[in-house]
Amino acid sequence: ETGVTQTPRHLVMGMTNKKSLKCEQHLGHNAMYWYKQSAKKPLELMFVYSLEERVENNSVPSRFSPECPNSSHLFLHLHTLQPEDSALYLCASSQVLQGDPNYGYTFGSGTRLTVV
Amino acid sequence: AQKVTQAQTEISVVEKEDVTLDCVYETRDTTYYLFWYKQPPSGELVFLIRRNSFDEQNEISGRYSWNFQKSTSSFNFTITASQVVDSAVYFCALSEAPGGSYIPTFGRGTSLIVHP
Repeated sequence: ETGVTQTPRHLVMGMTNKKSLKCEQHLGHNAMYWYKQSAKKPLELMFVYSLEERVENNSVPSRFSPECPNSSHLFLHLHTLQPEDSALYLCASSQVLQGDPNYGYTFGSGTRLTVV
Repeated sequence: AQKVTQAQTEISVVEKEDVTLDCVYETRDTTYYLFWYKQPPSGELVFLIRRNSFDEQNEISGRYSWNFQKSTSSFNFTITASQVVDSAVYFCALSEAPGGSYIPTFGRGTSLIVHP
């Protein structure tokens, strides 16, 4: 399989549950991203892993915890979420080496999360 | 700081009309990339085009065309003879060239509705 794959596509969880979102890319990219897309709001960057460095948006609550075990896999661990965390969570990857002619971002289909 | 403005929140047209989606950007970098993505109801952001700051040639791909003007910091997207399948949210994005900041800045998106 090629491209960026996210699982699950849909997730319903209670506020006391613990779950994880998974993202996998088969493009040989060296950077991976988590975005949150809420209704009527712009795309919000949550975390970036690039060349083993992590960059995070300081406004992201600690109930979201990313993990990037290698350059092809990215996880978002969720615990004690709130209803306002319900959103579409998108994963993306890119190649950040200078001079790459195919520079761009490839997105997965997203996980639609509902917190009840 | 980088900024992308898509002033049109929602555009509604009738099939076969031409429609232009506006994108205005701000950056202090001399080398940067601009992107357009399409997000259909399924959720995945689909890459449409990448343009680097040194290439101001307009591009046409079928019914799609892009007008990049550095003088006005704009990268507008035109769909000719729109179709119902063009209905989606369209995002404009800006990123520094590889080697610099690898975090793209997205606009808030323009929702295009094409009526039959």
